[in-house]
Amino acid sequence: GQQVMQIPQYQHVQEGEDFTTYCNSSTTLSNIQWYKQRPGGHPVFLIQLVKSGEVKKQKRLTFQFGEAKKNSSLHITATQTTDVGTYFCAEDNFNKFYFGSGTKLNVKP
Amino acid sequence: ETGVTQSPTHLIKTRGQQVTLRCSSQSGHNTVSWYQQALGQGPQFIFQYYREEENGRGNFPPRFSGLQFPNYSSELNVNALELDDSALYLCASSLDRGPGNTIYFGEGSWLTVV
Repeated sequence: GQQVMQIPQYQHVQEGEDFTTYCNSSTTLSNIQWYKQRPGGHPVFLIQLVKSGEVKKQKRLTFQFGEAKKNSSLHITATQTTDVGTYFCAEDNFNKFYFGSGTKLNVKP
Repeated sequence: ETGVTQSPTHLIKTRGQQVTLRCSSQSGHNTVSWYQQALGQGPQFIFQYYREEENGRGNFPPRFSGLQFPNYSSELNVNALELDDSALYLCASSLDRGPGNTIYFGEGSWLTVV
């Protein structure tokens, strides 16, 4: 399978600050999914991006898929302590998912 | 909750032993995938089962094997356990095997090999 690279590995922010994690691939992705994993929990599906240049919003979360479908980002506006967790992007290879290494977000109140 | 249940939730095994982990997929889901997540890493794809047949395998040795039953529940078997097999094992089910299908993870089985 392909490999998606995710940066940064860790991010510590003050509550109210913004946060962005980036996902990059050397090859074109058919689609990409984003997951959130709370400490001690399992990954939970957030969103799927399919179209080139696609932008989707979920409340304070904004997801983007690059024009070349080789990169994606997740941006959280005005972080809250409930946003704490690890955010993963995952390449969908015919329903076999290849996950990035994740970005661990810590939010200080 | 996702409707995907896994058992056991935690277990400790000795190096060289064998382990069987179980997963009940969400109702109506015919595709089950297994992932290994080592501490601090992203989930790594082990293999996928679709309608009782293996439908793709990641970079794992043959001592990792699986089964899917007619009710679409699944088992993951690991023989000759090694210390590096210590990880969270996640089962995920989806409605079908095609791209674009959302996968729903169970809570996972924490395996410690000593």
